[in-house]
Amino acid sequence: SAVISQKPSRDICQRGTSLTIQCQVDSQVTMMFWYRQQPGQSLTLIATANQGSEATYESGFVIDKFPISRPNLTFSTLTVSNMSPEDSSIYLCSVATGNSNQPQHFGDGTRLSIL
Amino acid sequence: GQQLNQSPQSMFIQEGEDVSMNCTSSSIFNTWLWYKQDPGEGPVLLIALYKAGELTSNGRLTAQFGITRKDSFLNISASIPSDVGIYFCAGQTTDSWGKLQFGAGTQVVVTP
Repeated sequence: SAVISQKPSRDICQRGTSLTIQCQVDSQVTMMFWYRQQPGQSLTLIATANQGSEATYESGFVIDKFPISRPNLTFSTLTVSNMSPEDSSIYLCSVATGNSNQPQHFGDGTRLSIL
Repeated sequence: GQQLNQSPQSMFIQEGEDVSMNCTSSSIFNTWLWYKQDPGEGPVLLIALYKAGELTSNGRLTAQFGITRKDSFLNISASIPSDVGIYFCAGQTTDSWGKLQFGAGTQVVVTP
């Protein structure tokens, strides 16, 4: 499966600031996704990162808060904007190759704490 | 909306025992996936299921795609200490274009 690298692996940020998380894959992938995992919780899909077009956001998530870029088939970024303590979570990138039935593989996540 | 229920929430077992967990959905899925997440890491895919009734093994792990397409189970046989972690089921519907819905997770603790 593809090797997925996320940066940073963790960060501590001040409220009101923004942080951009990078996801780099070692091979071209069809689909890239961003998930949030709040402390002690399961994974919730934030959005599908579409190459060359605007991301598709899930209910409860908006572009102004979580802008996403995907300039090519191996890279995507997620920005967490105007952060508050409620944004303290693990943010995970996942990828799927081939068609939509291919299983998703995850990066190790970015552990974000907001003070 | 869709709901995916995973149980049990946690399990405390002795080394060598078998473990079983399951997920049920209010909707029909065309794919069931089982992941394991260790502390500080992302979820790692254990087993993928694509057909109703499919029974698939991966070493000591066995998972089945329910005939109704609304449920799946995962069994771990002869547990060992490294089986400790959180296990998640995830399902995908036909019209969701790769989007996964995750269960709440089952935390497994193995004692010597």
